[in-house]
Amino acid sequence: DTGVSQDPRHKITKRGQNVTFRCDPISEHNRLYWYRQTLGQGPEFLTYFQNEAQLEKSRLLSDRFSAERPKGSFSTLEIQRTEQGDSAMYLCASSLVVGTRAEAFFGQGTRLTVV
Amino acid sequence: DAKTTQPNSMESNEEEPVHLPCNHSTISGTDYIHWYRQLPSQGPEYVIHGLTSNVNNRMASLAIAEDRKSSTLILHRATLRDAAVYYCILRETQKASGTYKYIFGTGTRLKVLA
Repeated sequence: DTGVSQDPRHKITKRGQNVTFRCDPISEHNRLYWYRQTLGQGPEFLTYFQNEAQLEKSRLLSDRFSAERPKGSFSTLEIQRTEQGDSAMYLCASSLVVGTRAEAFFGQGTRLTVV
Repeated sequence: DAKTTQPNSMESNEEEPVHLPCNHSTISGTDYIHWYRQLPSQGPEYVIHGLTSNVNNRMASLAIAEDRKSSTLILHRATLRDAAVYYCILRETQKASGTYKYIFGTGTRLKVLA
């Protein structure tokens, strides 16, 4: 297993277009997180899944954003009608709780540029 | 969401110890203290975590104050590869569900001088 995989690594899109990103977590990790990171800032929490259930969504996740994890494995994050303010790095992380250990493993992210 | 406060940047000489401080005065009893670091163009990478006692692993040590309102990440011998942004994070447990999330601050940018 090579870790958390995100696709694509880079995406340039025109304002108003829809985009979809994919995250493949580490096998058997039941928790999956999406974060957004803009330049010079720390990652901001967007949403979180336990298996296929979406347990929490940040206020940052407007109605243009939707995330799914249909079979409790990979996840997709879709942004509809993109705006320039959506330009950011979108990070996915997964974790598996074992005793007190629950570190999250992050992917390398998808960098979105909206022009 | 509980908050952490870190210096924006720090410098260290190569092969010297580095102490990265973090304040988390609003920490609650069930919040774990996690440290992650982020190298340029990479996703964050786990470094260490703890609850009350000091912790050591192959990457670093974590010293937690007795009142848990602050902690210090210790890199025993900084190398050029340790240059990164270090995030001190509180892993907040949601009381109703028992689930948790990681809330990042802006981190400390560590510069290591050769």
